[in-house]
Amino acid sequence: DQQVKQNSPSLSVQEGRISILNCDYTNSMFDYFLWYKKYPAEGPTFLISISSIKDKNEDGRFTVFLNKSAKHLSLHIVPSQPGDSAVYFCAASDSSNTGKLIFGQGTTLQVKP
Amino acid sequence: GAVVSQHPSWVICKSGTSVKIECRSLDFQATTMFWYRQFPKQSLMLMATSNEGSKATYEQGVEKDKFLINHASLTLSTLTVTSAHPEDSSFYICSARDYTGGAHNEQFFGPGTRLTVL
Repeated sequence: DQQVKQNSPSLSVQEGRISILNCDYTNSMFDYFLWYKKYPAEGPTFLISISSIKDKNEDGRFTVFLNKSAKHLSLHIVPSQPGDSAVYFCAASDSSNTGKLIFGQGTTLQVKP
Repeated sequence: GAVVSQHPSWVICKSGTSVKIECRSLDFQATTMFWYRQFPKQSLMLMATSNEGSKATYEQGVEKDKFLINHASLTLSTLTVTSAHPEDSSFYICSARDYTGGAHNEQFFGPGTRLTVL
């Protein structure tokens, strides 16, 4: 039972354009969502998070949007840079469950110069 | 930001041997550490949650007698893969959560350990 889903395994965008990565979840108990960036053979690096009481959180070039009714979140990167090329994982947790994270399958982003 | 280290970064062992992987929080105290494994091109799958001074909580389907977890201090957790077999070959990643508490305290991830069992 995949509680967090990233249905697009890969995404390719041109440098300077917007990258939009999507994530869906099924568990209505999730109340905190995070995005991580990961390079091969390395651990994930935290990018940005959002609490379920908000619908948007912005940090520099990164913005996360949350649509609770649709159980959907997205990460926008603008402008995209070649250094953003990596695998992006969304993760979700609920405050009643030790804070453990449930990860999506990941989306490989390629930003072309 | 907070730093989490793992040792070794990679290990190759023979089938039937045991391998220990260390996870350390270098500049903060972690009451909780998490162990994940990742197969190629797949998601990170949580194996167990490790709380300092108590027994680890394993996810469904993870054999606690095969994957021994010890969290003896606020800065160190170890994962021992006992009697390793080729199917245990994977990328093992730990994460640590800051001591200040709260379910949503950020988790910091280690760089991972690549285990190859021959």
